[in-house]
Amino acid sequence: LAKTTQPISMDSYEGQEVNITCSHNNIATNDYITWYQQFPSQGPRFIIQGYKTKVTNEVASLFIPADRKSSTLSLPRVSLSDTAVYYCLVGEGSNYQLIWGAGTKLIIKP
Amino acid sequence: GAGVSQSPRYKVTKRGQDVALRCDPISGHVSLYWYRQALGQGPEFLTYFNYEAQQDKSGLPNDRFSAERPEGSISTLTIQRTEQRDSAMYRCASSLGPRDNSEAFFGQGTRLTVV
Repeated sequence: LAKTTQPISMDSYEGQEVNITCSHNNIATNDYITWYQQFPSQGPRFIIQGYKTKVTNEVASLFIPADRKSSTLSLPRVSLSDTAVYYCLVGEGSNYQLIWGAGTKLIIKP
Repeated sequence: GAGVSQSPRYKVTKRGQDVALRCDPISGHVSLYWYRQALGQGPEFLTYFNYEAQQDKSGLPNDRFSAERPEGSISTLTIQRTEQRDSAMYRCASSLGPRDNSEAFFGQGTRLTVV
């Protein structure tokens, strides 16, 4: 299972675009990249998933370079309610759920 | 059900007692996962099931921990002879199936406190 590395914490301000990068140098051919968000006292919630290039949904975008050794979660125009911990996971099938790091604690300031 | 349901939400037990934590996944979800989460840490994988079959229990800390999902739906995580170090938030998640990289839906968790 591929190990991921992401910043422990980040700060930003309301209205800014926030980019959180995750490194996964040992990603395997069949692995997908998945991001979750967790608010205090709640369980994690799926945000976005991708395999290569770019994926966009109503919440975020995920950028994956050609070598797939890293990925960047992009949150457009953040608000205070985006303050949460963001987790990057890598794997395939059921296995992608098995290893969770400490995540990135994102704090949005007014 | 509409979401993943865990019970009880809070459990306080005395050291040495056994506890059973219940998880009721989303109807039709094949995969079910159990995690433990300490404050300020990410979820720590314990075990998971596809249908009633336990696929991986490598994350269970020791033989006091066990889990079952006898009919492929509701699952129970049992901790025998609880110790203070077992105090944590225990989370359950379910997903559609093992072959697609389907998203996991988490319950609200059970906060276990061993005194």
